[in-house]
Amino acid sequence: NAGVTQTPKFQVLKTGQSMTLQCAQDMNHEYMSWYRQDPGMGLRLIHYSVGAGITDQGEVPNGYNVSRSTTEDFPLRLLSAAPSQTSVYFCASSYWAGPGQPQHFGDGTRLSIL
Amino acid sequence: DQQVKQNSPSLSVQEGRISILNCDYTNSMFDYFLWYKKYPAEGPTFLISISSIKDKNEDGRFTVFLNKSAKHLSLHIVPSQPGDSAVYFCAAMGGGSEKLVFGKGTKLTVNP
Repeated sequence: NAGVTQTPKFQVLKTGQSMTLQCAQDMNHEYMSWYRQDPGMGLRLIHYSVGAGITDQGEVPNGYNVSRSTTEDFPLRLLSAAPSQTSVYFCASSYWAGPGQPQHFGDGTRLSIL
Repeated sequence: DQQVKQNSPSLSVQEGRISILNCDYTNSMFDYFLWYKKYPAEGPTFLISISSIKDKNEDGRFTVFLNKSAKHLSLHIVPSQPGDSAVYFCAAMGGGSEKLVFGKGTKLTVNP
């Protein structure tokens, strides 16, 4: 049981480049989410999904796209990378979104935008 | 405006003593609260939670207390161990929202 798997673990991009951060879970969780962690800022929700085909915006969605074509995968796309998107990105999942369902986190993707 | 506040960026305690980490919230719709622990280069891991219908929840060395009238919760670790050294995040959700809101975290250092 791998839990929540994020790839890549590290990435360096140039301003304006695009890329996709991958997230996969093998726990048959319906709820998946993406957070970014910046120094002194805690974790901030970017986008989330309550099931395949359903996505919604979190606190800081600008500059990011998501889709949820399968229960297992929830990729995060940076359309045109900016230095302000340098951060550590965490993907998380749970059976459903609500009390009693703590989220399981991946180990993160460390992204630097030059 | 920050809805979940952890006003102490860091805390240092001696091994064997009690660690108390504090968290305040502003949104009265929050009804479920969680604590996560995070080691460097790893993702956060769930530690303990509490529903607003309770004022205390205990799991081994970890106890979370909730004071709804003060919109305050705290995590007690007794006794503290060096392996507890990590960043602790308080998080909250409620009001029918599917979003989990995190505080900025408190870095706990337990000295041998």
